[in-house]
Amino acid sequence: EVQLVESGGGLIHPGGSLRLSCVVSGFTVSSSYMSWVRQAPGKGLEWVSALYADGSTYYADSVKGRFTISRDNSKNTLYLQMNSLRAEDTAAFYCAISSSWTGIFDYWGQGTLVTVSS
Amino acid sequence: DIVVTQSPDSLAVSLGERATINCKSSQSVLYSSNNKNYLAWYQQRPGEPPKLLISWASTRESGVPDRFSGSGSGTDFTLTISSLQAEDVAVYHCQQYYTTPPWTFGQGTKVEIK
Repeated sequence: EVQLVESGGGLIHPGGSLRLSCVVSGFTVSSSYMSWVRQAPGKGLEWVSALYADGSTYYADSVKGRFTISRDNSKNTLYLQMNSLRAEDTAAFYCAISSSWTGIFDYWGQGTLVTVSS
Repeated sequence: DIVVTQSPDSLAVSLGERATINCKSSQSVLYSSNNKNYLAWYQQRPGEPPKLLISWASTRESGVPDRFSGSGSGTDFTLTISSLQAEDVAVYHCQQYYTTPPWTFGQGTKVEIK
């Protein structure tokens, strides 16, 4: 069974930093295509970042230069380091697996909520 | 970036009746070399994460009831629920994956019981 469990969300002041984690079971992170997708309260889904099996990384323009995606193969865990957080980053953050390079999100975690507010 | 727009934003349908959701992309997501449309549909029930329903515009995932069907090509797509059930109350999202990232979603369509 595939499981993705996110953690690391919380309340943070504007300009602050947070690191989200996504522990994966049932898939090997190092050979998978992983993404972070967020959903602001009452809004639609927004793809944020992807990490391909070959190590290639991709970012939405809205987070480029502020967020960094990475993985720890020994822990089978995906991360999202978020710096210079803004109020508009407030959202539930989901990690998701694509079973191929296509960008179809086959499996999703339950999400972790990030609230950026003073 | 490809912009994806859904309509309507919400709809209320009686149990057993048909629900139809439209999705339009700002450019074609049909890849001519393999004749595949790079479009997916997801269901998000209240308080839950999204769940993949349909990929390649019309291929249902394993375990998805056959009352769900996807159609369309190029820039215009439709998700149809042929006979709405109570458990189908959810927000439905379409997504294009034609490009290398960024991948983009529609704004979502909320389906409720009338």
